[in-house]
Amino acid sequence: GQSLEQPSEVTAVEGAIVQINCTYQTSGFYGLSWYQQHDGGAPTFLSYNALDGLEETGRFSSFLSRSDSYGYLLLQELQMKDSASYFCAVRGSNYQLIWGAGTKLIIKP
Amino acid sequence: EAEVAQSPRYKITEKSQAVAFWCDPISGHATLYWYRQILGQGPELLVQFQDESVVDDSQLPKDRFSAERLKGVDSTLKIQPAELGDSAMYLCASSLGQGNTEAFFGQGTRLTVV
Repeated sequence: GQSLEQPSEVTAVEGAIVQINCTYQTSGFYGLSWYQQHDGGAPTFLSYNALDGLEETGRFSSFLSRSDSYGYLLLQELQMKDSASYFCAVRGSNYQLIWGAGTKLIIKP
Repeated sequence: EAEVAQSPRYKITEKSQAVAFWCDPISGHATLYWYRQILGQGPELLVQFQDESVVDDSQLPKDRFSAERLKGVDSTLKIQPAELGDSAMYLCASSLGQGNTEAFFGQGTRLTVV
């Protein structure tokens, strides 16, 4: 079967750094994406990794290791507005996006 | 800014009734997705279109769900008859093509079946 594993909840303090991990087992792999979803809102795209290594976009970075079937999203200088659910998603064979169950990020002042 | 339009935003229907959702993707986006998201879970792909053709509907409960994208632009998802377990958020997304990395989501339709 196909599956993505990520922690259900992570708690951090405002201004800190947090890492959200994702491991995957899929048939076919074209890349790992990260999406952010605020309560009641739609998912919005954050980043995409097709090759191994680190991609940086402002305060957010995403890492991929294809040999380990593993990736993570790194959020720096946490702000209260970063409180949301974060989803990893793999683009597998047939180009469909296979989603993890999401990680709820709770930020405390 | 271009966005994916969905309607209605909220829908309450009685079980065994028919319900339909509409989605208008970003202009020029060839790939359209319908997802179902239950609270606290990730989106589950129901159907994926490339232009007017279905690419993947393996997770679509075809005995009660149907989807069409007749002219390769907007799309309709129908449930008939609705069941209590269909209560969820139905999200539509689009991307330029199947291989494009970013999918743009609409605000979704929150369906409650009573």
